Amino acid sequence: QKEVEQNSGPLSVPEGAIASLNCTYSDRGSQSFFWYRQYSGKSPELIMFIYSNGDKEDGRFTAQLNKASQYVSLLIRDSQPSDSATYLCAVNNYNTNAGKSTFGDGTTLTVKP
Amino acid sequence: DGGITQSPKYLFRKEGQNVTLSCEQNLNHDAMYWYRQDPGQGLRLIYYSQIVNDFQKGDIAEGYSVSREKKESFPLTVTSAQKNPTAFYLCASSISGNNGYTFGSGTRLTVV
Repeated sequence: QKEVEQNSGPLSVPEGAIASLNCTYSDRGSQSFFWYRQYSGKSPELIMFIYSNGDKEDGRFTAQLNKASQYVSLLIRDSQPSDSATYLCAVNNYNTNAGKSTFGDGTTLTVKP
Repeated sequence: DGGITQSPKYLFRKEGQNVTLSCEQNLNHDAMYWYRQDPGQGLRLIYYSQIVNDFQKGDIAEGYSVSREKKESFPLTVTSAQKNPTAFYLCASSISGNNGYTFGSGTRLTVV
């Protein structure tokens, strides 16, 4: 079992819809959770982070964390074609891994006009 | 503007050759990291450094070496011992790791 698992996709949604990206992790002691967006051929860019159970909203993005279920998700509302990218989930357990993040393989999202 | 600069953007290596990838940051971050990304895959950690003059191996350190003589700089050398070096190399930095990473623009290394 991978430490961080994501559906590879591709996930395709129509413009204006809600895109839901999911991530599960195996280390129950994980404390910090990140979502990065990576456009094709480019480097990843941090778009959301969450530390506590519940929801965290930033504009059209909402990160959801459920530590009991070891599950973190990213919702993108009113999806735009410019949201088409690969989304990487990353997890950090500072007690065991210091500042190192473990990444999933990413989910590719396509938003169709 | 603060950020991380990686160079070169593209690099071609001949068999048996060592090459060095540059990574410089002016964000005043203590921690720096090198990751490798293969097509369709996530990021795998090569080396990381949390403080000047100290660094640790990541999950795939074999065939690579690093140095951290200055806070701003964390160069990666891909040695001839790395048998499959063709990949996208990403350098990142962080205040503490728990705040997430800032990535450089990456270096694409190809063996010719």
